[in-house]
Amino acid sequence: DSGVTQTPKHLITATGQRVTLRCSPRSGDLSVYWYQQSLDQGLQFLIHYYNGEERAKGNILERFSAQQFPDLHSELNLSSLELGDSALYFCASSVGDDLPWYNSPLHFGNGTRLTVT
Amino acid sequence: DQQVKQNSPSLSVQEGRISILNCDYTNSMFDYFLWYKKYPAEGPTFLISISSIKDKNEDGRFTVFLNKSAKHLSLHIVPSQPGDSAVYFCVSPWAGNEKLTFGTGTRLTIIP
Repeated sequence: DSGVTQTPKHLITATGQRVTLRCSPRSGDLSVYWYQQSLDQGLQFLIHYYNGEERAKGNILERFSAQQFPDLHSELNLSSLELGDSALYFCASSVGDDLPWYNSPLHFGNGTRLTVT
Repeated sequence: DQQVKQNSPSLSVQEGRISILNCDYTNSMFDYFLWYKKYPAEGPTFLISISSIKDKNEDGRFTVFLNKSAKHLSLHIVPSQPGDSAVYFCVSPWAGNEKLTFGTGTRLTIIP
């Protein structure tokens, strides 16, 4: 158990809809990262938050947004959903702000599987 | 920018033998890598890392070797066990604006 909790585990919705994915980081971790894994693809970095502030953005679509709340949990909002948004969405947390060095690797949750029909 | 490539999408190894997973990279300015392991329906878990100050890092049955001149690294698992069957990702943390760049991984299957 990584200590990172993601809800829901599965989500099925229709095109054009909006969904919110939730992530609770490990106790004591200040950084939250979001990744997308489409079928047979590697994990694509979406966005990173540290202690409530956005730190870095990857290839995140404008239809997607995220935030980290004062209690450090994070939400990823996906809107105007398209079939191609179907994927596994992973949240990861780490202690620090900067890159995951030896002592603070990323700890991943088990993901939310989003299916857009 | 940094790219990492795992050219073998899959690998099958007999239990007890050595498993060798390979990874090539493009930018020698960024000689720091991590290996993550992923089981189905679970998130990736950190396995082992290596930086340019070392050519080798060992943790139990897992050893990672870094060949800077060839821009190549490899993960050795000895002896291979059935529980090692998973997808292994070679990861670079220095990929421009992307905090961690994951390759598509190598699916390792250990045959009992």
